[in-house]
Order: sequence, then C-alpha cells, then structure tokens
Amino acid sequence: GAGVSQSPSNKVTEKGKDVELRCDPISGHTALYWYRQRLGQGLEFLIYFQGNSAPDKSGLPSDRFSAERTGESVSTLTIQRTQQEDSAVYLCASSLVSRTGANYGYTFGSGTRLTVV
Amino acid sequence: KNEVEQSPQNLTAQEGEFITINCSYSVGISALHWLQQHPGGGIVSLFMLSSGKKKHGRLIATINIQEKHSSLHITASHPRDSAVYICAAPPSGSARQLTFGSGTQLTVLP
Repeated sequence: GAGVSQSPSNKVTEKGKDVELRCDPISGHTALYWYRQRLGQGLEFLIYFQGNSAPDKSGLPSDRFSAERTGESVSTLTIQRTQQEDSAVYLCASSLVSRTGANYGYTFGSGTRLTVV
Repeated sequence: KNEVEQSPQNLTAQEGEFITINCSYSVGISALHWLQQHPGGGIVSLFMLSSGKKKHGRLIATINIQEKHSSLHITASHPRDSAVYICAAPPSGSARQLTFGSGTQLTVLP
C-alpha cells in the first residue's frame, strides 16, 4: 500500500481480555517496528523485525506481549490478559534496510489507541 | 542522560515567526529523523538526514555530524504547525530501533 496501515484505529477492551493489533507495512519494506506511547510520555520501543532474521524483542514489557510477522508482510501485536497500564497508542513503522544497514523511507502508521477499562 | 536530547521542551510563537528546534545526540548515528506528532497521536516522518540540509516547503532540517547536532527550522510559522516535534536516531551501524528525544511541544498563536 501507499503507507503503513494499522487496525483498528481505536480499541476499547475490558481488563483481562486479549487484544490483537495489526500492522500492514509498506510493500517491499524489510524492517518493521512496534512502539508504544503512553499518555503524556515518549515513544517506547517494543519489537523490531528485519526480513527473516530473529526479531529483537528486547523492548517487550512482559510475557503478556508478543508479536509475529510472516516474511516481510503483515505483523500482529498481541497483548494477553490486558491491564489498565497497557492503555496507550501503539505505533507501527516500517522501513527499507539496505545490505549495508542504511535505513530508507522510515514511515509510521497512524497508530492504534488502546483503552483498557 | 538520554542519548538524544531536544530543546526547548515547550515553545510558543506568534504566527509568522521563524522557529528553531534543536537536537543533540551522544551516540554515533547513521541518520537522524525528525518526526511530527499532532494531537490525536498520528506521527508523520518529516525528514531523515545524514548530512547537510534538507528542505520541504517551510521546513528546513540541518545536521552537523562532527558536532552531533541537528536543527529543525520552520519559516513563516502558522497555527497549523502546532504539534510535537521529535528527533530520533538509530544507533550507529544499526538499522534497529530509534532512540527518541523527549519532543518539543510547539504552539503557534494566531
């Protein structure tokens, strides 16, 4: 697609339920990133996918968080047993990473606003 | 100490003023990003630059690799420029996740 697409744009869920957030990156972008922004705070890195390499999961805050990406296509971020502190805007970005490691076309999606009540 | 620091944290300007936001970083980087975040949370990537200067409309971004400093300038500011401006950088030699500055809240008054 023309841009990074995220769905849903808004999600309200009850505490304890599982949620799935989706990110559809720009076609051809090899790298995909998930970030989180809690209200009034900065962006936090969650997870990074690059091609078929093992993902960098170092930013995931707990084992309730997981993400998958098949090849260079869609990614889903899953939060199990949601807690109120999970309420945040979840942002996805994608980019094209060259063989030399140069990063091109870093593009953010418009985010999913998650509210846990 | 944050690896990417921005100043000022908050900036209020009158319409038409020339605006400068500064970003300093302590890590070696391959490129630096300037992002714009409007109320409601959507983020737009404004610039990615690794040297020199880039211009897009009324926005100009410059970077000095030796001094590890970048600036974002807005000429003839307008109330619609009101947003949070964030600089961000990946660690040198890595295409990995960005390290973000804390952002500059810009308010342009009519």
